[in-house]
Amino acid sequence: AQSVTQLDSQVPVFEEAPVELRCNYSSSVSVYLFWYVQYPNQGLQLLLKYLSGSTLVESINGFEAEFNKSQTSFHLRKPSVHISDTAEYFCAVSRYNFNKFYFGSGTKLNVKP
Amino acid sequence: DGGITQSPKYLFRKEGQNVTLSCEQNLNHDAMYWYRQDPGQGLRLIYYSQIVNDFQKGDIAEGYSVSREKKESFPLTVTSAQKNPTAFYLCASSIGSGSNYEQYFGPGTRLTVT
Repeated sequence: AQSVTQLDSQVPVFEEAPVELRCNYSSSVSVYLFWYVQYPNQGLQLLLKYLSGSTLVESINGFEAEFNKSQTSFHLRKPSVHISDTAEYFCAVSRYNFNKFYFGSGTKLNVKP
Repeated sequence: DGGITQSPKYLFRKEGQNVTLSCEQNLNHDAMYWYRQDPGQGLRLIYYSQIVNDFQKGDIAEGYSVSREKKESFPLTVTSAQKNPTAFYLCASSIGSGSNYEQYFGPGTRLTVT
C-alpha cells in the first residue's frame, strides 16, 4: 500500500527565514507528487505538482519542491517566508495509472513576526 | 466562476440520525471524491466516482453511502452506522480519473454529532 510521511507535524519559523517541509513516500513504481495548502476552515488548494521532466518544480508564490527518486522524497522549500504563509501543508502521492491519491498527515507552518 | 460548493459549512446532528452532505461542481469534471479529515491524520478517502452512476469505496467507506445521478452532484450520506462521524468532510473533483490529474477541493463541511 502507498504511504506518505510528513515527519514534522508543526514547524515554527520567524518571518523572512527559510523553511523546509519534509515529505517522504513509499512506492516501487512511478508516482506523481503534489503539495497542497489549507488555510483554517477551508478546502485544500494546489500549491505545486511534479508529473515528469525537471525534478525541481516551483509555485507562483515562491515555494519550490524537488523530486528525489533515490530518496523517495518531495520536500517543500521557501527561501523567505511571510506571515501569510501560515497554514497547513499536505503532501500527496498518486501512483502511475492508479486513480487514488494518498495524503500525508499534514505539517502546520506557523510564521512568527 | 467555476468551482465546488459544499453546503452547509457547519452541520449539527443528534446521534442516530442520518445526515446528507451536499457537493456540487460546475467544472465539468468527470471524477469526484469524498474525504474525511481528522486532526493529525490528514485526509482519508471515503468514496470516489469516476463517472455518472458509478462509484467505488475508498479506504474508510463503512457507515457512509453516496450516489452519482448527475455529473455535477456527489452527495454523501453519513449513516447512524458510522461510529465516529464528527469530522471535517471535504469534497473534491478532477477533470479525469487518471492519477496525474490534480484534485480541486470544496470549502468543506464540519459535521458535529452529539
